[in-house]
Order: sequence, then structure tokens, then C-alpha cells
Amino acid sequence: GIQVEQSPPDLILQEGANSTLRCNFSDSVNNLQWFHQNPWGQLINLFYIPSGTKQNGRLSATTVATERYSLLYISSSQTTDSGVYFCAVERNNQGGKLIFGQGTELSVKP
Amino acid sequence: GAVVSQHPSWVICKSGTSVKIECRSLDFQATTMFWYRQFPKQSLMLMATSNEGSKATYEQGVEKDKFLINHASLTLSTLTVTSAHPEDSSFYICSANEQFFGPGTRLTVL
Repeated sequence: GIQVEQSPPDLILQEGANSTLRCNFSDSVNNLQWFHQNPWGQLINLFYIPSGTKQNGRLSATTVATERYSLLYISSSQTTDSGVYFCAVERNNQGGKLIFGQGTELSVKP
Repeated sequence: GAVVSQHPSWVICKSGTSVKIECRSLDFQATTMFWYRQFPKQSLMLMATSNEGSKATYEQGVEKDKFLINHASLTLSTLTVTSAHPEDSSFYICSANEQFFGPGTRLTVL
């Protein structure tokens, strides 16, 4: 099956710093999403981005489908950004089934 | 945005008992819902796809007789963990489409 690899696995930042999280995937995909899981377990969809670039406030994401990777940028990080960031992909014609990467655990220190 | 609820949010049960977890889409109808399981410090793994009006489809390695899924209406899917054992202790998360996830149910089997 398709492999989804995220890096780095862990990241510690000082408040105000910027960061880039990476997601590599091993096959063509129909859908790619970035999620943030807060300390209570709730998953929040950040971006639906099978290709191209999107921005939402301090967050932005870029997916280069031809090269099978996606990047999530966090600028001016805040302590509330802490949690686990997951990349998830859907292979073509899989009806919404998502394959998740192992996640990047981000800790932002005040 | 779309809201998905789960009940209960946490449950502790004795080994050998059965536990039912509900997943509801609150402001939209969902013909398909997905059930995921997440062990501590690990990623989400898809267990099964719940289809309204038909049988669920299970991922490889997931016992369909142990994890009973019923999609009773367009807004409700239930997952019943039958004869639960300590190794079934996990965080169970549903999604009513590929973008919106429930808050999860933490199951602890003693």
C-alpha cells in the first residue's frame, strides 16, 4: 500500500519561531490533507490540498503532486500550536479512506 | 462548519464486556462514515468504512465479529467492541466524511 512519511517526528520551538513540516508519499493521490490533533485528541482539518499552495493566517501549505510531497509552514508559532500534525492521503477512487502519516509532534515553548 | 459528535467521550469497562460507541453528524447527512483507532503516541489507523443501508467494509486485519458496525441512519453510526480485552484499549475516532472528525472516545478495558 501507499506509504506516508512525515518529518521531523518531533519538533520543539520557541514561541515566535517559524517551522516547516514535511510529508512524503509513495504513490499518486487523489487527496491530501493536513490535520492538527490537539492535546485532547480532537482532529482539526487545516488544509485540503491535493496540489498547489494555500494559506490560512499563520499557516500555509504547498503540495507538489508530481514530486509526491507536501509542506506545512507555521509562522510566528504560538503555544496553542502545540500538538501533533498529521498528513493524510487518499489514493484514487478509495471513497474517502485516509492513510495517515506518523505525525510530527510540535511543542511550542513560551 | 460540519460537526461530528461521539458518545461517550471516555469509557472504562471490565474485560469481557461489550461497549457501544456512537458517532453522529449533527448538521449534515453522511452516507459514509469511517472508524479509526489510535494507540498512544501512534497514528490513526482506519478500521472500517460504515455505509448507511449496507454492511460495513473492514480493513485487513480488523475482526468484523469483534468490531460490530451499524449505520442506522444518515446521521448515526455505531461501533460496538464485543467481549473487550485490555488490548482493545485505545482511542476510537470516527469521521463523517474525509475532512470532519469526531472528538474521539477513549476506551480503557480493565
